[in-house]
Amino acid sequence: DIQMTQSPSSLSASVGDRVTITCRASQSITSYLNWYQQKPGKAPKLLIYTASNLQSGVPSRFSGSGSGTDFTLTISSLQPEDFATYYCQQSYTTPYTFGQGTKLEIK
Amino acid sequence: QLQLQESGPGLVKPSETLSLICTVSGGSISSSSYYWGWIRQPPGKGLEWIGSIYYSGSTYYNPSLKSRVTISVDTSKNQFSLKLRSVTAADTAVHYCARQQYTSGVPNFDYWGQGTLVTVSS
Repeated sequence: DIQMTQSPSSLSASVGDRVTITCRASQSITSYLNWYQQKPGKAPKLLIYTASNLQSGVPSRFSGSGSGTDFTLTISSLQPEDFATYYCQQSYTTPYTFGQGTKLEIK
Repeated sequence: QLQLQESGPGLVKPSETLSLICTVSGGSISSSSYYWGWIRQPPGKGLEWIGSIYYSGSTYYNPSLKSRVTISVDTSKNQFSLKLRSVTAADTAVHYCARQQYTSGVPNFDYWGQGTLVTVSS
């Protein structure tokens, strides 16, 4: 299985901050990388697909980059509704696997 | 607007079979563009893909669960289902059903059900 490792596991930030979350794959997954946001008690929501494409309806302050084994999710200016847990997921091969999550908390 | 809704028992005894149904509304499960998947999340933990199915019945599973899992589809009811046999406490999780789309040939899960907690306990 391809292992997905996110860093940091948790992060404290303030409204208006620029935040970057990193995801590393245990082998190359080209651009087969998706990002999800999950709020407590809710289902995950697709934010970014194929590493850098914004899902319809997702604010433009979210962006993704990377290829191969290293990827980043950036939130350019944190809003109160962005405090949540973020997961990366590889779709390069089955079994599809997720990172362990990055919990973004209010400072 | 596409909606997915999981249903099934919230409590299953150890060694028995977990059975869930996902009902799709606002769209057809028979669309050639999508697969349909199950993903689970143990309380306080991360996400694990269980398996996916096409409307034709073609399936693929996570090898870690493959020996115990069956996913099936009922196009007449616009539903797909999950069966997980011989459950233990380690199978306690919120179970999500989701639509698996392909964008630029890359699969992702773009619509999710609200999730249903299944607890394995005697």
